[in-house]
Amino acid sequence: QLQLQESGPGLVKPSETLSLTCTVSGGSISSSDYFWGWIRQPPGKGLEWIGNMFKSGTAYYNPSLRSRLTISLDTSRNQFSLKLNSVTAADTAFYYCASHKVDYYYSYMDVWGKGTAVTVSS
Amino acid sequence: QSVLTQPPSTSGTPGQRVTFSCSGTNYNIGRNFVYWYQQLPGTAPKLLIYRNNQRPSGVPERFSGSKSGTSASLAISGLRSEDEGDYYCATWDGNLSSLVFGGGTKLTVL
Repeated sequence: QLQLQESGPGLVKPSETLSLTCTVSGGSISSSDYFWGWIRQPPGKGLEWIGNMFKSGTAYYNPSLRSRLTISLDTSRNQFSLKLNSVTAADTAFYYCASHKVDYYYSYMDVWGKGTAVTVSS
Repeated sequence: QSVLTQPPSTSGTPGQRVTFSCSGTNYNIGRNFVYWYQQLPGTAPKLLIYRNNQRPSGVPERFSGSKSGTSASLAISGLRSEDEGDYYCATWDGNLSSLVFGGGTKLTVL
C-alpha cells in the first residue's frame, strides 16, 4: 500500500525558495504506473494542482507556476521534491504530495500524503 | 476563478440523496475523464471517483459519478453525517496542459 509523507520547512521568507520533499513507501517512484506530484491549498480555499513528473523526467507544470517551479525525482532515496522560487505571501498554503496514477494519456491523484503547512513571512 | 465551476455549497438531511455538479468546457471535461475528491474537515483529500464513474476499492456504492458533454455529477445516496466536508471535481485541460480543479462544494448534513 502506497504511503507518502511530506517534509520541509514550515516557514519561508519572501523572495526565497520553498523546498519540500515527499518520501514514498510501499512502492517505487521508478514505477511505470505513476507520475509523482504536488497540490496545494491556501488557508480556507480550494485545491490547486502544482505539477508532476514521471520517472523519465517528463514533467507537467501548472502554467501559473511554471516559471518558478522545479519538480525532481531521487530514485536512490525513493523521494521526490518541489522547489518554488521567489515566494510571496500568496504561496502560503498546505502542500500535499500525491501519486498520480497513469490513465491513458494523463494521470490522476490516487494516494495523497497528509500534507504540510508552509507560511511565507519575514 | 477556477477552470471548472462548482456551486459553493449544498446541504441535505441524513438518508437523503444529494448531487454535486461540475461544469467545464470542450477543452477539459468534454474530452477527458473526470475525477472526484472528498476532503473531510482537517484531512487530506481522498479519491472518490475516477474515470467519470468508477469507484476505487473501499469507496461505498452510495457514491456514484456520471458525465455528459461538458458537465459531470457526483451523487451521494443514503447521506450520513460523516459525509460532511468538501467535494472537488478535477480533470485534465488540454488547452492549459494542466490538471484543473473545481472550486469545491461544501456539503452540510443538517
